[in-house]
Amino acid sequence: QLQLKESGPGLVKSSETLSLTCTVSGGSIRSSLYYWGWLRQPPGKGLEWIGTIYHSGSTYYNPSLQSRVTISVDTSKNHFSLKVSSMTAADTAVYYCARHLAGYAAAGPLGYWGQGTLVTVYS
Amino acid sequence: QSVLTQPPSVSGAPGQRVTISCTGSSSNIGAGYEVHWYQQLPGTAPKLLIHGNSNRPSGVPDRFSGSKSGTSASLAITGLQAEDEADYYCQAYDNSLSGVFGGGTKLTVL
Repeated sequence: QLQLKESGPGLVKSSETLSLTCTVSGGSIRSSLYYWGWLRQPPGKGLEWIGTIYHSGSTYYNPSLQSRVTISVDTSKNHFSLKVSSMTAADTAVYYCARHLAGYAAAGPLGYWGQGTLVTVYS
Repeated sequence: QSVLTQPPSVSGAPGQRVTISCTGSSSNIGAGYEVHWYQQLPGTAPKLLIHGNSNRPSGVPDRFSGSKSGTSASLAITGLQAEDEADYYCQAYDNSLSGVFGGGTKLTVL
């Protein structure tokens, strides 16, 4: 059974960079069928797509976040990562990693999700 | 302000049918892009309910159905059950080169 699990700090100081990792188990991140994404959800608010990566390293970002976001993949460790720079209070959210549905590319539907991790930005 | 517009809340009694609308524009739903729907139970990650406008992933009950017309899409839930009480989100691609979501609709089962 595929599982995704986010890991990283729960607290980030304002202006610093957030680093999260999504570890995939029960499936290979090298599969040519799937793209892998990051999303977030501020407390009490809706979902926002951050970006997506393919095992080759090709990336696709939300234009509104592109200047601050970097997504990378490490196929040897079967995980992919997210970095968000210049964090502010507006970046406080539950961050999710997920796998897109087979047959869909970036920004398509997401069929498997991690449990999410709450990241709070403090000053 | 979400790119896709959903009603903040809908409600229905057990056994009834409810629909949730998702209104977009000519740069997303109206451009022909597919609409996907998610269910989010309290404190949990979203779960994919419908993809490609009307397709149910394996394991999703046929009480859930999706449709699309013009610049809008709808999620219908028939035979409403208490366990359906959740937040529902629509998603589509936008010509701004981004995946976009609706603001979410809270379904209350009376």
